[in-house]
Amino acid sequence: GENVEQHPSTLSVQEGDSAVIKCTYSDSASNYFPWYKQELGKGPQLIIDIRSNVGEKKDQRIAVTLNKTAKHFSLHITETQPEDSAVYFCAASRGTYKYIFGTGTRLKVLA
Amino acid sequence: DSGVTQTPKHLITATGQRVTLRCSPRSGDLSVYWYQQSLDQGLQFLIHYYNGEERAKGNILERFSAQQFPDLHSELNLSSLELGDSALYFCASSEGQIQETQYFGPGTRLLVL
Repeated sequence: GENVEQHPSTLSVQEGDSAVIKCTYSDSASNYFPWYKQELGKGPQLIIDIRSNVGEKKDQRIAVTLNKTAKHFSLHITETQPEDSAVYFCAASRGTYKYIFGTGTRLKVLA
Repeated sequence: DSGVTQTPKHLITATGQRVTLRCSPRSGDLSVYWYQQSLDQGLQFLIHYYNGEERAKGNILERFSAQQFPDLHSELNLSSLELGDSALYFCASSEGQIQETQYFGPGTRLLVL
């Protein structure tokens, strides 16, 4: 069936370093890939998304890359700050209502 | 703030009971989605409504039901509650029903004792 694998499950980085989270999807028809950040006690918040006709997208310190051939996409956070500490979820969709979520990555930025 | 509101924030109840969770979508959004997030698990899609009509069901138990009202708010009803139903329940909304970004509410934390 459809699934999205997300790695690593936990990630600790020093403040100022970069963090990379990777997701691999199984449904080759997927064409929309959002990333969500979930802080403790809050709902997931969309931080960046990418569609299959684009290979890379940046928004300040956050970037997402997509490799359709390999069916994987990655979240890159540069110059990490303590407030980046949260759980990050990737998702894949074939352009319908249905999102298949990864299992999440708990990012800790150490001051 | 996503613009999606959910009430209540917390709910504690006993096994066998029934509860109703409420969601108000962002202004202008016609779609509402319900998700369950259990401990150490990701987000599991439960059900999707678009403009008052059920559009899709995911891993939703028969003990659970939902509806979307004419004013577009939605309610998720959970009955015959079991300990394993303890989880975070999120509502999300989007403008349409396809190719649309989903915006999540703050969630309702349900604890079944």
